[in-house]
Amino acid sequence: DAKTTQPNSMESNEEEPVHLPCNHSTISGTDYIHWYRQLPSQGPEYVIHGLTSNVNNRMASLAIAEDRKSSTLILHRATLRDAAVYYCILRDPLTDGNKLVFGAGTILRVKS
Amino acid sequence: GAVVSQHPSWVICKSGTSVKIECRSLDFQATTMFWYRQFPKQSLMLMATSNEGSKATYEQGVEKDKFLINHASLTLSTLTVTSAHPEDSSFYICSASRAGGSYNSPLHFGNGTRLTVT
Repeated sequence: DAKTTQPNSMESNEEEPVHLPCNHSTISGTDYIHWYRQLPSQGPEYVIHGLTSNVNNRMASLAIAEDRKSSTLILHRATLRDAAVYYCILRDPLTDGNKLVFGAGTILRVKS
Repeated sequence: GAVVSQHPSWVICKSGTSVKIECRSLDFQATTMFWYRQFPKQSLMLMATSNEGSKATYEQGVEKDKFLINHASLTLSTLTVTSAHPEDSSFYICSASRAGGSYNSPLHFGNGTRLTVT
């Protein structure tokens, strides 16, 4: 599995945007970039995924660098309920199928 | 939609006994389910891939005779921790992949089962 690097933790103020970075310098051409988050004492939940173009959904936006060696998950207005561990995961459908392998993730703390 | 239910949400058992954890996809069929284990302040570790109607595929280092997986239907997979010991105490989480979905379809996770072995 291609490796991703994320900061251990980040802090944000409520109602402000949050940019969560992820480095994946060894990404292959067929790797998709997936983001999941895990709230305390719960299973992970899907946030967003993309391949090359930036993606938006109701939860977040995903900005992918042109060389695909990094990406940024953007929460446009953080709320206290967004406090969670955010995982950036590379998934190659050709080799991984629909398996997800989690790294350490980023602990996001949101201050009121 | 796309709800995955795990049962029980927590269980305490004595050392040497076996514990069964159920994972159900409530509103979709899942040909593949995954089982993870998570120790405190650590990330999720994939244990095995469970395929409906066939044997599970275990990750390296996971004992298949200790962690028995059965995926007998398109909506149910079970994980049995046999002869549990205190070091098996952990948070066990399942996820399911919707049948007919693409390889990039989101995985849906259960809310986990906290196992404590005394």
